[in-house]
Amino acid sequence: DADVTQTPRNRITKTGKRIMLECSQTKGHDRMYWYRQDPGLGLRLIYYSFDVKDINKGEISDGYSVSRQAQAKFSLSLESAIPNQTALYFCATSEGQGRDTQYFGPGTRLTVL
Amino acid sequence: GQNIDQPTEMTATEGAIVQINCTYQTSGFNGLFWYQQHAGEAPTFLSYNVLDGLEEKGRFSSFLSRSKGYSYLLLKELQMKDSASYLCAVRPTISSGSARQLTFGSGTQLTVLP
Repeated sequence: DADVTQTPRNRITKTGKRIMLECSQTKGHDRMYWYRQDPGLGLRLIYYSFDVKDINKGEISDGYSVSRQAQAKFSLSLESAIPNQTALYFCATSEGQGRDTQYFGPGTRLTVL
Repeated sequence: GQNIDQPTEMTATEGAIVQINCTYQTSGFNGLFWYQQHAGEAPTFLSYNVLDGLEEKGRFSSFLSRSKGYSYLLLKELQMKDSASYLCAVRPTISSGSARQLTFGSGTQLTVLP
């Protein structure tokens, strides 16, 4: 079984709709992250959480919100989706010690029409 | 802030050696990562450098020069499955003032030809 899972894997929605992307992990890591990836722009950090009570904005948090429901679960919401939020979204985790390597989920491809 | 530069595309031949460069400017430095990402898939961790020098791991090696703000990923005995995007990512020091998180380059798309 995968250590970091994301649901859904693919989603097509319309402008103005509320969307939630979910991430779960079995690695036992405290730290979790949400990124988006656009062609030619690389990975950009949306939000990150060091534990259930510690949530921080990343580089591009406008238009997004998050919820850390438990150590293992971190959800990303788009309250009112717009077409320029069409992207590949990745969740990642890290243990917060040593090299603190980030491990990525399989991604969610979101299309906003 | 941080800025990371890497070539957009590279092409090499199966069995050959290729070097992918990464240069960075950062107000603080606490490690550099290389990830491999196949099209439509998750990035996977390849290597980590925090001190100057070469780290070797099988066919892959990574080099760091902190004074020059420079790293490279060296891939030997290229195989077709090495065709992927290679991402360079830098982590700042906690005291640098910027987010304490990785900043990724745009990635280098490597194509391995038969």
